[in-house]
Amino acid sequence: DSGVTQTPKHLITATGQRVTLRCSPRSGDLSVYWYQQSLDQGLQFLIQYYNGEERAKGNILERFSAQQFPDLHSELNLSSLELGDSALYFCASSRGTANTGELFFGEGSRLTVL
Amino acid sequence: AQSVAQPEDQVNVAEGNPLTVKCTYSVSGNPYLFWYVQYPNRGLQFLLKYITGDNLVKGSYGFEAEFNKSQTSFHLKKPSALVSDSALYFCAVKGNNRLAFGKGNQVVVIP
Repeated sequence: DSGVTQTPKHLITATGQRVTLRCSPRSGDLSVYWYQQSLDQGLQFLIQYYNGEERAKGNILERFSAQQFPDLHSELNLSSLELGDSALYFCASSRGTANTGELFFGEGSRLTVL
Repeated sequence: AQSVAQPEDQVNVAEGNPLTVKCTYSVSGNPYLFWYVQYPNRGLQFLLKYITGDNLVKGSYGFEAEFNKSQTSFHLKKPSALVSDSALYFCAVKGNNRLAFGKGNQVVVIP
């Protein structure tokens, strides 16, 4: 058990809808990272937050947004969903931002868009 | 931008034989390199990392990796593979406050 909790584990929705994925980082970790894993794109970095502030942005679509709250949990919002958004979304956490330490991954939220 | 490449999609190895999963990297500056493993329906788990120091890095579950600066490689190795090592293995490099992952290698250990 990594200590990172993601909910929901599975989500099925329709095109055009909006969903929110939630992540609770490991106790004491200030950084949260979101990754998208799909068969054709592999593991793609979306966005990172550190202590409530956005620190790095990757291949995140404008239809997607995220935030980190004062209690350090994070939410990834996906809107105007398309079939191609079906993927496994991972949250990871770490103590700081330097990435000299490892990331701790949750078990993911599997999104299916029909 | 920092990146890694994992040239093989799948690695098949007989149980008890040595296992090697290849990774090459491209960075500006000193590389911070990582290996992660993903078991079915699970999140990624950290195996080992190279920051500085000895070129041979030892990690979890009997895995080790060899850093080779001249060949820009960071291959993952295990002297004797187990069936339970069957999983998806990712190489990653640190840069710009993120880890950039390779596409992953499926390892199949045949009993």
